[in-house]
Amino acid sequence: DADVTQTPRNRITKTGKRIMLECSQTKGHDRMYWYRQDPGLGLRLIYYSFDVKDINKGEISDGYSVSRQAQAKFSLSLESAIPNQTALYFCATSSQGAGGYTFGSGTRLTVV
Amino acid sequence: AQSVTQLGSHVSVSEGALVLLRCNYSSSVPPYLFWYVQYPNQGLQLLLKYTSAATLVKGINGFEAEFKKSETSFHLTKPSAHMSDAAEYFCAVSGIGNTGKLIFGQGTTLQVKP
Repeated sequence: DADVTQTPRNRITKTGKRIMLECSQTKGHDRMYWYRQDPGLGLRLIYYSFDVKDINKGEISDGYSVSRQAQAKFSLSLESAIPNQTALYFCATSSQGAGGYTFGSGTRLTVV
Repeated sequence: AQSVTQLGSHVSVSEGALVLLRCNYSSSVPPYLFWYVQYPNQGLQLLLKYTSAATLVKGINGFEAEFKKSETSFHLTKPSAHMSDAAEYFCAVSGIGNTGKLIFGQGTTLQVKP
């Protein structure tokens, strides 16, 4: 099993719908992150969490919300999806220090 | 504030040629620096990292990078490209003692021609 699992892998949804992307990890890491990837823009941070009671906005949090249900689970929600939220979304985890991230395989979201 | 600039969104080399992917950073604190690789339809995989020890860092698959503080650079190199190196590469920076957040560059797509 993958260390960081994202579901679903692919999703097509309609404008205005609420959608949740889920992430779970078996790394035992405290820190979890949600990024979106767009061509030519690299990865941009949406939200991050350092433990279950800690949630922080990233650089592009508008239109998104998150929930840290447990140390191992971190969900991203789009309250009312719009077409410019079409992107590849990545969940990542890390421990304290400079070890870097472990990434999930991504969720490709298309909003029509 | 921290930022990363990758020079060249697309780099093309011939198989066996030198690979050079450029990364410049800006950081108000001593940085940690990372290179990640993304193969098609996959997540990002750590290639190598600089964490204030040796300035020349060796990573997986024959890649290495050199931290040059005077030039605020962390360029990625590989002496001889393989077809399997074709992928997208991301440089990232975080600050020592900060929250551990990574700031990513825009990415560079490496094409390897036979």
